Amino acid sequence: EVQLVESGGGLVQPGGSLRLSCAASGFTFSSYWMSWVRQAPGKGLEWVANIKQDGSEKYYVDSVKGRFTISRDNAKNSLYLQMNSLRAEDTAVYYCARRGSSGWYVRYWGQGTLVTVSS
Amino acid sequence: DIVMTQSPDSLAVSLGERATINCKSSQSVLYSSNNKNYLAWYQQKPGQPPKLLIYWASTRDSGVPDRFSGSGSGTDFTLTISSLQAEDVAVYYCQQYYSTPIFTFGPGTKVDIK
Repeated sequence: EVQLVESGGGLVQPGGSLRLSCAASGFTFSSYWMSWVRQAPGKGLEWVANIKQDGSEKYYVDSVKGRFTISRDNAKNSLYLQMNSLRAEDTAVYYCARRGSSGWYVRYWGQGTLVTVSS
Repeated sequence: DIVMTQSPDSLAVSLGERATINCKSSQSVLYSSNNKNYLAWYQQKPGQPPKLLIYWASTRDSGVPDRFSGSGSGTDFTLTISSLQAEDVAVYYCQQYYSTPIFTFGPGTKVDIK
């Protein structure tokens, strides 16, 4: 059974930093692109970042470029999101996500971790 | 960037009646080389992560009841719930994955019971 378990969320002041983690199990982690998707309170879904299987390619939504860094450790079956210079508008539930085997629809989602940026 | 829109923003349907949600993309998500539409639908209930319902515009994911169906091609798509059940109350999102590895979601449509 595929499982994605996020951790690392919490309350942080504007301008601060936070590192999210996602522990993956139930599949060959090193074989899949992985993603972060976020959802602000009461709002819709927003793709944040993707990383290739070997970490050689990374893509970001424009609003986080230069502030967020996606990374992975295939030996630990773990995905990360380093978030710097956080803003109030980054407040959201952050989901770890895995694409399907045949396409880039999101087949598996974690339960999410809440990041709140507030003074 | 491909922009996704959905209509209506919300709808209320009687139990057992049909619910129809529309999704439109700012450019075609039909890939001509394989004739596939790179469009998915998700259901999200309060306090839960989204759940994949349909991919390739019309392929139901495993375990999804057959009252859910997807249709459309190019830029215009529809999710239909043929006979609304109480457990279908949720927000529904479409997503394009044509511009992989960048993808975008629609703003969502809330479905309630009338």
